[in-house]
Amino acid sequence: DQQVKQNSPSLSVQEGRISILNCDYTNSMFDYFLWYKKYPAEGPTFLISISSIKDKNEDGRFTVFLNKSAKHLSLHIVPSQPGDSAVYFCAASASSGGSNYKLTFGKGTLLTVNP
Amino acid sequence: GAGVSQSPSNKVTEKGKDVELRCDPISGHTALYWYRQSLGQGLEFLIYFQGNSAPDKSGLPSDRFSAERTGGSVSTLTIQRTQQEDSAVYLCASSGTSRANYGYTFGSGTRLTVV
Repeated sequence: DQQVKQNSPSLSVQEGRISILNCDYTNSMFDYFLWYKKYPAEGPTFLISISSIKDKNEDGRFTVFLNKSAKHLSLHIVPSQPGDSAVYFCAASASSGGSNYKLTFGKGTLLTVNP
Repeated sequence: GAGVSQSPSNKVTEKGKDVELRCDPISGHTALYWYRQSLGQGLEFLIYFQGNSAPDKSGLPSDRFSAERTGGSVSTLTIQRTQQEDSAVYLCASSGTSRANYGYTFGSGTRLTVV
């Protein structure tokens, strides 16, 4: 039973345009959400996060939006650059329940930014 | 070291053989995690170590899997009598805090292929 879902396995955008990556979750205990970026043959690297007390967090070209009522979050990249081409993983954690150290990941979305 | 180091980077083994995967976390990081990514899947939690506390082994898929962490630093993940379904990328991560909110630092992984 997948608690974090990334329904788009891949996304292709033109350089300079906006990339929007989506993520849905089912576990209402999740209260912290993270995005990781992964290049081939490398480990995932932390990109940006958001707490459930916020609905938006911005860091440079990257913005994460959280819609708690819809259990949905999205990562916006503006403007997209060819170096952004990677697999993006959405992850979630629950601060209560005794497992606040555990991240639950989605399957990832492969973003390709075309020059 | 500067990052999380995993060895070997690639391992091909025959079905039925035992394998050992090694992880050197970032110096001073008390929390250490093992995840795996099977083909087309997200990252799956395997085990968590935090200081001298009893590890959370709840993610280990079978009793053929075991892990230890010696001296609060290096960790080894052992898979006995490997099966083809064990083929995956095994990722180790460490963090300086027990809370997942702050993100982990992942190693580059060990790609295990069971033939």
